[in-house]
Amino acid sequence: QVQLQESGPGLVKPSQTLSLTCAVSGGSISSGSYFWSWIRQPAGKGLEWIGHIYTSGSTNYNASLKSRVTISLDTSKNQFSLKLSSVTAADTAVYYCARGLDYYGSGSYFSAFHIWGQGTMVTVSS
Amino acid sequence: QSALTQPASVSGSPGQSITISCTGASSDVGSYNLVSWYQHHPGKAPKLMIYEVSKRPSGVSNRFSGSKSGNTASLTISGLQAEDEADYYCCSYAGSSTFVVFGGGTKLTVL
Repeated sequence: QVQLQESGPGLVKPSQTLSLTCAVSGGSISSGSYFWSWIRQPAGKGLEWIGHIYTSGSTNYNASLKSRVTISLDTSKNQFSLKLSSVTAADTAVYYCARGLDYYGSGSYFSAFHIWGQGTMVTVSS
Repeated sequence: QSALTQPASVSGSPGQSITISCTGASSDVGSYNLVSWYQHHPGKAPKLMIYEVSKRPSGVSNRFSGSKSGNTASLTISGLQAEDEADYYCCSYAGSSTFVVFGGGTKLTVL
């Protein structure tokens, strides 16, 4: 079955760019109709959707983060990535990648996050 | 502040039933039957328990059920077990602009 695994630096300095990768195994990232997504959870707080890239390559981002976020697909490596620029301590969180199901198969209606990675802790500190 | 409102905590004794509410708006929960629920044990990946309001993924116990009325969705867990103790989050599709919103989470304590 499909599995997701996050990787990237656990420590990022303020004002720098946070970069994470989610490796997909057990299936091709370019097949099917899925939202390849990033979600985060700051310590003691709830889940926050960051954004996703659809199988077709189109993206949607959380409005509160949109100016700093880029999500991209690398089909040759079967992985997708998150870049969050100009980070501050408020970006310290556990970051999860997830696969979201498309309700109509059109990229327009999100159903649910059926598969999640284990999460990776990222701390923003000098 | 989360877009969807959940109670911070609920509790119940083994064998009892509990219900967690998730209140949104006409732009998200009220407009789409695309509400999902996740169980999250600390340190582990969240697990999908209910999707599209009331559907259960394969392998999820039928003790978990979901429903919706107007702008409020609900997750009911019957026959509470110790392993049900976790945080629970609701999530909804919220239209083409906002796309996805989560609730603030509810901590379930099994007494």
